[in-house]
Amino acid sequence: DVKVTQSSRYLVKRTGEKVFLECVQDMDHENMFWYRQDPGLGLRLIYFSYDVKMKEKGDIPEGYSVSREKKERFSLILESASTNQTSMYLCASGDTQYFGPGTRLTVL
Amino acid sequence: AQSVTQLDSQVPVFEEAPVELRCNYSSSVSVYLFWYVQYPNQGLQLLLKYLSGSTLVKGINGFEAEFNKSQTSFHLRKPSVHISDTAEYFCAVSDVGSNYKLTFGKGTLLTVNP
Repeated sequence: DVKVTQSSRYLVKRTGEKVFLECVQDMDHENMFWYRQDPGLGLRLIYFSYDVKMKEKGDIPEGYSVSREKKERFSLILESASTNQTSMYLCASGDTQYFGPGTRLTVL
Repeated sequence: AQSVTQLDSQVPVFEEAPVELRCNYSSSVSVYLFWYVQYPNQGLQLLLKYLSGSTLVKGINGFEAEFNKSQTSFHLRKPSVHISDTAEYFCAVSDVGSNYKLTFGKGTLLTVNP
């Protein structure tokens, strides 16, 4: 079975902190994705990567950056967290997108 | 640009009744289509997908969907639902050749009552 793991299920940070969300997949997938999920808005794509060191902006990249130094790991970075980044963050991997369990981030 | 419309935000049904969750999309190019399910406090799980070939697609847990190109629809159906089907369902579309970048609908909450 494909496994996509995310570093934390729940995270609480303060405004202005730098936040790292990590995602690891074990199936040698080239494509990896970061979404945020908010009630009534569905999933919105933040960034995706189709190869090591390659990245493309999704629909809502503002306030976020990403890093993909190794094929299995795709990190989402909030340079200076703000309260409007409180959300559920979902990582996905592969062409038909296997999802991790999500990280619920609260920014106080 | 793509968009996906899930016409119903909530669908309540009784156990063993049939259900249809509606999804319409817009795109100027050929597409791939997907349905995902999300159980409480979990990530999304792929139910079924249409990439090419037969327009009737069968998925896991007894679900199926039909791709209708002329109506730009991809409705999800199940002939008899169970309590355990209570979850949120998301329709998604990807333009062919876009590295499987998905655009999601806003979701439909299916509640199955005894």
